[in-house]
Amino acid sequence: TQLLEQSPQFLSIQEGENLTVYCNSSSVFSSLQWYRQEPGEGPVLLVTVVTGGEVKKLKRLTFQFGDARKDSSLHITAAQPGDTGLYLCAGSPTGAGSYQLTFGKGTKLSVIP
Amino acid sequence: EPEVTQTPSHQVTQMGQEVILRCVPISNHLYFYWYRQILGQKVEFLVSFYNNEISEKSEIFDDQFSVERPDGSNFTLKIRSTKLEDSAMYFCASTQWRSNTDTQYFGPGTRLTVL
Repeated sequence: TQLLEQSPQFLSIQEGENLTVYCNSSSVFSSLQWYRQEPGEGPVLLVTVVTGGEVKKLKRLTFQFGDARKDSSLHITAAQPGDTGLYLCAGSPTGAGSYQLTFGKGTKLSVIP
Repeated sequence: EPEVTQTPSHQVTQMGQEVILRCVPISNHLYFYWYRQILGQKVEFLVSFYNNEISEKSEIFDDQFSVERPDGSNFTLKIRSTKLEDSAMYFCASTQWRSNTDTQYFGPGTRLTVL
């Protein structure tokens, strides 16, 4: 079973601060996806990273996939109250025949105005 | 932008009753998934479906669960005899290709409450 550990579990910061959340595993993933989920709603895709060492930017959000494709990070610059939400990482396993996503438990971010 | 839709948004049922949760995947997508999320827990894979067959299923997906694509657009999850522990958010997802690098797009979910 491939597990994804996210840290921190909870994060409360002031508007304008920078933050990084982490997604780690002992397993190799073919790809990692970052989602944001609001209460009572489905996960909304932010980005998919595929190549080891890949960095993708989405406005103030920077996503990195580890060289060994076992971990990923999400960095937010100058956080805004609108960034508040649950951030989930989800990995697609290596190996033939399996395409299910394994999710982490998420990081609940609260940005205080 | 195309999106996955799900109905109903909320379903309340009595223990032992059958429920059918419905999903309309993105129109040119060929691979479909169901996941569930018990309150406060992580999203868990249930089953994947392609070409009218189950491709993969998890240990959660026991004989009480079944999936079907009854027509060209809908994808359904049936729970034959609901239990209290089936209470959860159920999410449908779809992808265009069967690839570990293809993005799964999720619907808004159905909140199932079993009383």
